[in-house]
Amino acid sequence: GAVVSQHPSRVICKSGTSVKIECRSLDFQATTMFWYRQFPKKSLMLMATSNEGSKATYEQGVEKDKFLINHASLTLSTLTVTSAHPEDSSFYICSARYTSGGAGYTDTQYFGPGTRLTVL
Amino acid sequence: EDQVTQSPEALRLQEGESSSLNCSYTVSGLRGLFWYRQDPGKGPEFLFTLYSAGEEKEKERLKATLTKKESFLHITAPKPEDSATYLCAVQAGSSGSRLTFGEGTQLTVNP
Repeated sequence: GAVVSQHPSRVICKSGTSVKIECRSLDFQATTMFWYRQFPKKSLMLMATSNEGSKATYEQGVEKDKFLINHASLTLSTLTVTSAHPEDSSFYICSARYTSGGAGYTDTQYFGPGTRLTVL
Repeated sequence: EDQVTQSPEALRLQEGESSSLNCSYTVSGLRGLFWYRQDPGKGPEFLFTLYSAGEEKEKERLKATLTKKESFLHITAPKPEDSATYLCAVQAGSSGSRLTFGEGTQLTVNP
């Protein structure tokens, strides 16, 4: 259980074009999803928190007009990189928050496999 | 500000040579400490969540422990397939559901 998928796994685009990345929770509903960026040999950098049915919350320094996030359903969040430039090339990873209460309380983020974006 | 420091940055072991990875943290009200494994070019894979000091969890050759200041990931008799980057993250009471990650420990297990 707790599987998260991302599509596409790899995308190459020309400078100035927009790219959409999908993140899906396959076997659970996620009211909250997160988008991260990872540079080579570095840890994950949180870009934004995506809440179903409301606007995303962006981390300081992340351009909300460049990285558009939509969380239209309990199983799907999308990240659109608008007018992409070579400096946007990176590994983008999403996660979905899984929670359960009671005796088996858990509040865990499960990650997708990532999307490698290359902007030429 | 929440801080997570992992050590060592890199660790090379021989197959069967047990060792431990460290994760030191400073947070305002720990809600949970998480361990993930990440293979090159892939997303992090969830390993453990620890919620309170004294808690321990095990999975195959891995055992995670938690104190009020740090967590250890013990690897017993590692195999080459345990080679990966191990990431530690904390969830603080003041930051909602956001995670703060450490920089990771890159583990290499030689046959």
